[in-house]
Amino acid sequence: RKEVEQDPGPFNVPEGATVAFNCTYSNSASQSFFWYRQDCRKEPKLLMSVYSSGNEDGRFTAQLNRASQYISLLIRDSKLSDSATYLCVVNRDDKIIFGKGTRLHILP
Amino acid sequence: DAGVTQSPTHLIKTRGQHVTLRCSPISGHKSVSWYQQVLGQGPQFIFQYYEKEERGRGNFPDRFSARQFPNYSSELNVNALLLGDSALYLCASSLANGWDISQETQYFGPGTRLLVL
Repeated sequence: RKEVEQDPGPFNVPEGATVAFNCTYSNSASQSFFWYRQDCRKEPKLLMSVYSSGNEDGRFTAQLNRASQYISLLIRDSKLSDSATYLCVVNRDDKIIFGKGTRLHILP
Repeated sequence: DAGVTQSPTHLIKTRGQHVTLRCSPISGHKSVSWYQQVLGQGPQFIFQYYEKEERGRGNFPDRFSARQFPNYSSELNVNALLLGDSALYLCASSLANGWDISQETQYFGPGTRLLVL
């Protein structure tokens, strides 16, 4: 079992819809959590850090459930420009572990 | 300010050769991490260096090595190249002071595309 697992995707979603990404991690010692976004043939860029209390940035909401070892990302009112691969990232013991990513296509 | 820079951008090598990839972090960042990304996968963690010391290591063979210099730039070396080493190699820098999550954001360079024939 991989240490960080994400929805396999791809997700094909009409513009304006709400999209939810899920990520689970297997090591309870994991310390910090992030969502990154990667556009085609580009480098990953930080989208959001994920806090236990949950956090929101505009149309984006991230949640962390330590008991269930589960992280989520919600995108509301999706835009064409949200099309990308979304990567779940977990830091543990000075190791930085990326999930495989979930590809999102927003359809006009 | 300049972002993370990597060189070369592209590289073609043959099996058995070695390769050295270079990375310059964002000014003020003391931590550099290296990742391997193959098509369709997320980046796989290879090493993290902080203040010139290895701070973390992923599950890569000893053919992979790295070092960080006093100016915080870094090199990744891969010996005895295999076809499976063909990938995008990403370098990321961060402040990484170890106690503030906001300091752990990884800022990635554009990567070096390595093709092993």
